[in-house]
Amino acid sequence: DGGITQSPKYLFRKEGQNVTLSCEQNLNHDAMYWYRQDPGQGLRLIYYSQIVNDFQKGDIAEGYSVSREKKESFPLTVTSAQKNPTAFYLCASSIGGLSPLHFGNGTRLTVT
Amino acid sequence: RKEVEQDPGPFNVPEGATVAFNCTYSNSASQSFFWYRQDCRKEPKLLMSVYSSGNEDGRFTAQLNRASQYISLLIRDSKLSDSATYLCVVIPSGNTGKLIFGQGTTLQVKP
Repeated sequence: DGGITQSPKYLFRKEGQNVTLSCEQNLNHDAMYWYRQDPGQGLRLIYYSQIVNDFQKGDIAEGYSVSREKKESFPLTVTSAQKNPTAFYLCASSIGGLSPLHFGNGTRLTVT
Repeated sequence: RKEVEQDPGPFNVPEGATVAFNCTYSNSASQSFFWYRQDCRKEPKLLMSVYSSGNEDGRFTAQLNRASQYISLLIRDSKLSDSATYLCVVIPSGNTGKLIFGQGTTLQVKP
């Protein structure tokens, strides 16, 4: 079955550590996205990539980094510079253009 | 003004009721519109696209009003399983790759 896989589902880290969240898709989608969602809040765009080896900052990119070396993969690194990293992180992909997004199951990150 | 605005609710309705949500958008050149459903602590899932002429999928009807810059979602004969947060999504003009999400409207269907 085609889909988007995020791993792990739950992640716990100590403050000051960098952590990388995995996102893999086998839908052959060109565009991939990372969103953050806090309790009771909407989705906020962190980074997105419309094509391999290219990506753009979203609305809240500070403290995060990404890479897009392969079409299938768009890992997100939450660095120690991110002040409030505890959140629900959602990866999504789309064909691009005016098409809707398909989301992975999300990674719930807790930093203490 | 936010690019996409929704009434956060919650909307509390009895089973069998008809309920409607609106979502307004600020960019008059926006080209593509969707409704997503998000269950508690889960990822959003595409419910339906919104077409200019309006479209229906079972108990769900989506409409677009370009003149007033809003989209709507009508749910007929509400079920307990319809309880969720409904997100409207707008793709602005141009091929920027960015989708704009509303904050979501929470629906609670009571027995």
